[in-house]
Amino acid sequence: DTEVTQTPKHLVMGMTNKKSLKCEQHMGHRAMYWYKQKAKKPPELMFVYSYEKLSINESVPSRFSPECPNSSLLNLHLHALQPEDSALYLCASSQVFGGAPDTQYFGPGTRLTVL
Amino acid sequence: AQSVAQPEDQVNVAEGNPLTVKCTYSVSGNPYLFWYVQYPNRGLQFLLKYITGDNLVKGSYGFEAEFNKSQTSFHLKKPSALVSDSALYFCAVRVPRRTTSGTYKYIFGTGTRLKVLA
Repeated sequence: DTEVTQTPKHLVMGMTNKKSLKCEQHMGHRAMYWYKQKAKKPPELMFVYSYEKLSINESVPSRFSPECPNSSLLNLHLHALQPEDSALYLCASSQVFGGAPDTQYFGPGTRLTVL
Repeated sequence: AQSVAQPEDQVNVAEGNPLTVKCTYSVSGNPYLFWYVQYPNRGLQFLLKYITGDNLVKGSYGFEAEFNKSQTSFHLKKPSALVSDSALYFCAVRVPRRTTSGTYKYIFGTGTRLKVLA
C-alpha cells in the first residue's frame, strides 16, 4: 500500500470557523509533511513531523496548527483563516526525514476555500 | 541561493514523438534531484530520483532523466509521448536547511505543463 489519503477533498469555510484537515498513511513512514499549493505554483513546505515530533515549521502563521497523534495520522487544524489561505493543501510522507534522500508520497490534497 | 529552474512554462509535443522537460539546478555539494507529475486536482506522484551513480535514471511510466553535472541539468525524457502524459511536471532538489543543521528541505521548480497532442 503506497497510498496517502486526505480528507475532506474539498472544504469551504468562513473566516471565523474552525476546521481540520486529516491525512493518513499506512506505509510505516515516520516522516509526514504539510504543503500548501496555490494555483499554478509549486508546493511550499509548511510543516514536517519526524517520529511524531514537529521538526520543521516554515514560519507558518499560528492560525494553522499541526498535530501528529500517532505515526499514521497527521492533522492540520485551521482557525480564523484569511481568504488568501485558499489553496490546495497537500500531505506527504516518507520513510524518514533527513539522512538518505527519501521519496515523498503525496496525498490527493484538500482544496480549501476561505470565504 | 540554492534553486531549481524549469525554463519552460509549457511544452507541446505530438503523440508518439519523444519529449523532453527541462530542469536546471544550482546547489552546493551533491544534488539530490527528483521529478514529480501532477494531474489536475491531484497530489504529486513520484516519477524518479537521482542520488548518485548512473547518470541515466529510469522511472515510472517509461520516463527517464539524465543527470548532467557539467551543465547542472536533470532533464526528464520519454522516447514516445502519450496523450495521457499530459500533466504538470515538477522538478525538485533536496538541499540542507541553513537554520537547522542535519535537516533538509525540498525546493520545487515552478512546473512545466506538458501537452501531448493526438
